[in-house]
Amino acid sequence: DAGITQSPRHKVTETGTPVTLRCHQTENHRYMYWYRQDPGHGLRLIHYSYGVKDTDKGEVSDGYSVSRSKTEDFLLTLESATSSQTSVYFCAISESWGSYSPLHFGNGTRLTVT
Amino acid sequence: DAKTTQPNSMESNEEEPVHLPCNHSTISGTDYIHWYRQLPSQGPEYVIHGLTSNVNNRMASLAIAEDRKSSTLILHRATLRDAAVYYCILSAPGTYKYIFGTGTRLKVLA
Repeated sequence: DAGITQSPRHKVTETGTPVTLRCHQTENHRYMYWYRQDPGHGLRLIHYSYGVKDTDKGEVSDGYSVSRSKTEDFLLTLESATSSQTSVYFCAISESWGSYSPLHFGNGTRLTVT
Repeated sequence: DAKTTQPNSMESNEEEPVHLPCNHSTISGTDYIHWYRQLPSQGPEYVIHGLTSNVNNRMASLAIAEDRKSSTLILHRATLRDAAVYYCILSAPGTYKYIFGTGTRLKVLA
């Protein structure tokens, strides 16, 4: 299995508080992704990174920011958490772009905003 | 971004073949077709991918239509462990994005 660690695995927080989720990889892969998964919506891309300090928005980026200061870590921040951000968050990595490099996913972080 | 369309759910009997369809009528010439599956309470896992020719691996086969506007994931003998949500996705041209949809929930009956 690809070395991907998401932390925390579970978190409960209150509306309006900042929250940071961490994705750590030991594979030295260039590309990293944050997805959220909600019933009826499948997986939706929040942000992604194609290198250190190179990030871009996905489908549902409002209310989220990311940072990648080193290859192995990709942080997802909810500046002021809202109940609509209650979800399961998955991090994924990919060695290279294109056909021959599949995505590998972490085990997810379950976030509840009360 | 090119999009895919899949049935919401399908059922299969155990030890029978399963054909999971995917439509991608707006696919571009350089898009690869990828399939992932997500078992309960886990992150998605890679199944197979292809461009134009049919592909086989130890998990499944991928049949791609000649015009590339549709594809079919084939599980040759479904087992109870194959019960999962299956996603058909395309790599977005000019970006590094993988856009997932809602997938097909496969139920395998014993």
